Amino acid sequence: GESVGLHLPTLSVQEGDNSIINCAYSNSASDYFIWYKQESGKGPQFIIDIRSNMDKRQGQRVTVLLNKTVKHLSLQIAATQPGDSAVYFCAENIGQGAQKLVFGQGTRLTINP
Amino acid sequence: DAGVIQSPRHEVTEMGQEVTLRCKPISGHNSLFWYRQTMMRGLELLIYFNNNVPIDDSGMPEDRFSAKMPNASFSTLKIQPSEPRDSAVYFCASSLGGDSPLHFGNGTRLTVT
Repeated sequence: GESVGLHLPTLSVQEGDNSIINCAYSNSASDYFIWYKQESGKGPQFIIDIRSNMDKRQGQRVTVLLNKTVKHLSLQIAATQPGDSAVYFCAENIGQGAQKLVFGQGTRLTINP
Repeated sequence: DAGVIQSPRHEVTEMGQEVTLRCKPISGHNSLFWYRQTMMRGLELLIYFNNNVPIDDSGMPEDRFSAKMPNASFSTLKIQPSEPRDSAVYFCASSLGGDSPLHFGNGTRLTVT
């Protein structure tokens, strides 16, 4: 059975629609941010990263937006596909020159056919 | 590239037994990380190494946990003695260091009865 624990925020979208996943980070000194995708039974998979000297970065079907004023990060996925269904994590590097990634709690994205 | 390789994929053991988890990082990566994932606490950094040297072990829960990296291609995480609350998925990740993404293995699911 399922143990009591974190209740992940969930997002359901129709296949083909765009999705936006949001993340609030904690440390105003964080200078590097990453989005990961985790499918059941697998480790987190790198999607896209952004440094604090940027406010937007685009990849294939994905865009990450960074708003340092309000310490907010978002991941936009265009034209969603069934394979996009997964848990998405944002992570911030709080290491101040060293590499120390702290992960958010995650958002479960479900793509409905 | 085979990615980060972890073994075993699953481990079931009895309370009090010693458990050793193994990790082979991506060749050429000089940073290695051990994370633990649970429903209650999400993804937590336990320890990380840079050039085989432990840099930050502040996330290691207690003295029952130890990690080693005898060379650039191998690391172990040992729990002795194990307890039921150690049940979790343990991930190893590696990176090129600095502002570069971590690449995760598929984890070891540990169950302590």
